[in-house]
Amino acid sequence: GAGVSQSPSNKVTEKGKDVELRCDPISGHTALYWYRQSLGQGLEFLIYFQGNSAPDKSGLPSDRFSAERTGGSVSTLTIQRTQQEDSAVYLCASSHGSGSPTDTQYFGPGTRLTVL
Amino acid sequence: AQSVTQLDSHVSVSEGTPVLLRCNYSSSYSPSLFWYVQHPNKGLQLLLKYTSAATLVKGINGFEAEFKKSETSFHLTKPSAHMSDAAEYFCVVSAQYSSASKIIFGSGTRLSIRP
Repeated sequence: GAGVSQSPSNKVTEKGKDVELRCDPISGHTALYWYRQSLGQGLEFLIYFQGNSAPDKSGLPSDRFSAERTGGSVSTLTIQRTQQEDSAVYLCASSHGSGSPTDTQYFGPGTRLTVL
Repeated sequence: AQSVTQLDSHVSVSEGTPVLLRCNYSSSYSPSLFWYVQHPNKGLQLLLKYTSAATLVKGINGFEAEFKKSETSFHLTKPSAHMSDAAEYFCVVSAQYSSASKIIFGSGTRLSIRP
């Protein structure tokens, strides 16, 4: 079956512009995660959606970052007034479980964001 | 609180020799532990996971890891490295806090394979 997909695969933008990154999780997966991977760094947790519950936004680095998940499926990560330090690969993952620590996450290929 | 430390940022081995990628964790709760692999320009893929069952966990591509609670370690091993194993490897700890899981990724270990 289809895996997690993300679009665009690459995005180049100018400092100060807004960007939207899209994630299509695996069908039926109730949990969705966003991470940021900066060059040479590990993954930084950003936000977590689980079903219809309020999202866990504890990882968002600033109020310029926001995310939505419509209809329990597709998610959009929005970065407003982008800064050069926002340049990174943004990864989305989904999982089948209820948010258990044992859940396996399935990752998309990522969106590489470059802010000039 | 929980954390995960990958002790080596880069490991280089010769093809056919054993691989050891080290991971230590700390967690106030019984953790689940994972190893993910990221090949260049590809998404992260689960190698294996520990979820409080058998302490020796076997994964894909001949990798395995042993959960050692006394040493708070979850090192990844493979008896014989293959060129295709060259990639970035991430150790991950996850534990339940109230109603939400907290998932922490290590900083990664880049594995290089010498011919």
